[in-house]
Formats: sequence, structure tokens, C-alpha cells
Amino acid sequence: AQKVTQTQTSISVMEKTTVTMDCVYETRDSSYFLFWYKQTASGEIVFLIRQDSYKKENATEGHYSLNFQKPKSSIGLIITATQIEDSAVYFCAMREGRNNNAPRFGAGTKLSVKP
Amino acid sequence: DAGVTQTPRHEVAEKGQTIILKCEPVSGHNDLFWYRQTKIQGLELLSYFRSKSLMEDGGAFKDRFKAEMLNSSFSTLKIQPTEPKDSAVYLCASRRTGGNNQAPLFGEGTRLSVL
Repeated sequence: AQKVTQTQTSISVMEKTTVTMDCVYETRDSSYFLFWYKQTASGEIVFLIRQDSYKKENATEGHYSLNFQKPKSSIGLIITATQIEDSAVYFCAMREGRNNNAPRFGAGTKLSVKP
Repeated sequence: DAGVTQTPRHEVAEKGQTIILKCEPVSGHNDLFWYRQTKIQGLELLSYFRSKSLMEDGGAFKDRFKAEMLNSSFSTLKIQPTEPKDSAVYLCASRRTGGNNQAPLFGEGTRLSVL
């Protein structure tokens, strides 16, 4: 069964610094897709970035990038030059490729960016 | 394009009532997901539909929860009878079929309070 774990409950950083949020996953599938989402204070859930398991290059999207370590089943989210508005809860999710199943989510990491 | 639309945004029910939550996916999206979000359990899968076929359901929710795809552009989630422990945010998400790497896009959710 697939499982996604985020062990960091909350992180606090100063504005304009770089932060990394951790996520590890479990799957028996050789093909899978990893996603990161952001949930704002209003409750809105926004898709940020995706990593396909068969791709060796780390995905990047604006000031978001991923640190994909396949042997460790790890997919970290890196936010560079953080801004106050990056304060939110960040969720990691995984969908297995072969099975017709839905993405499963981690518990989330609350990021606070301080001025 | 309009995003995922969920109605109502808020619902208050008495214990034992039947409530129906509604979701309209993004036009052209054939995959539709229902999730429940609570602080303790996080994001839990309720149901996953592809077109009108049920692909997966959350095992813990078979009892009083029933999701349906009435057509390709409208889904309902019925909770019958409601219990106070059902108080949560119910989220609907959709994605275009034909590309397992597509990330589901979320609606704003329905906040349910059961008294």
C-alpha cells in the first residue's frame, strides 16, 4: 500500500532565506508520480510542482524546486528566496502509475515566513 | 476556464440528518476525487471516479458515505445519517484523464459542521 510521510510539523524561517521540507514515500510500484501542494490560510489548495519517478532531473517551477532521491524514497520541496506569502501548509502527495488509484497525501508541514 | 466548483461552501446539520454536497469538475476533466480533511486525520480519500465509473473508494467510508457521478460534469457526496464526527472540510478535485502525471486540481471545499 502506498504511504506518504511528512515528519516536520512546522517550520519557521526568515524572509528571503531558503527552506527545505521533507517527504518520504512508500510504494511497490516502479512508476509513480509525486506532487506538492500548498494550502493557504483561506483553505485554498494549490498545486505547485510535480516529479515523475522515471525522470532523473529534479523538477523546478519558479522559486520551487525538488530534491528527488529515489534510492531513499524521498522528495524534498525547496523554496528559495522565501516571501511572507509563502506562509502556508505544504502537502506532499503520491500517485502510483500502474494502478488506477488516487493520490495519497502526507500530513502536511506548516511553514511560517517571518519578516 | 472555471475551476472545480463546490456547493455549498458551508453546511450545518443536526445529527441524523441527510446532507448532499455537490461538485462540478473542471470542464473536460474525467477524473474526480472526493477527500475529507480534518486536523487529526489530514486528507483522506473518500472516492475516485473515472468518467462515471468508481475506481477506488476509501474503505473506512463505505458505511454512511455515498459518492456518485450523475454525469461527467456533476458529482454528489451524500452522508446519511450524519454524525458529529463527520464535521470536516470535504474537498473535491478533478484532473484530465490521459496522463497519469497530471495533478488533481482542488475546489474550495465544503465545511460541514454536525451538531
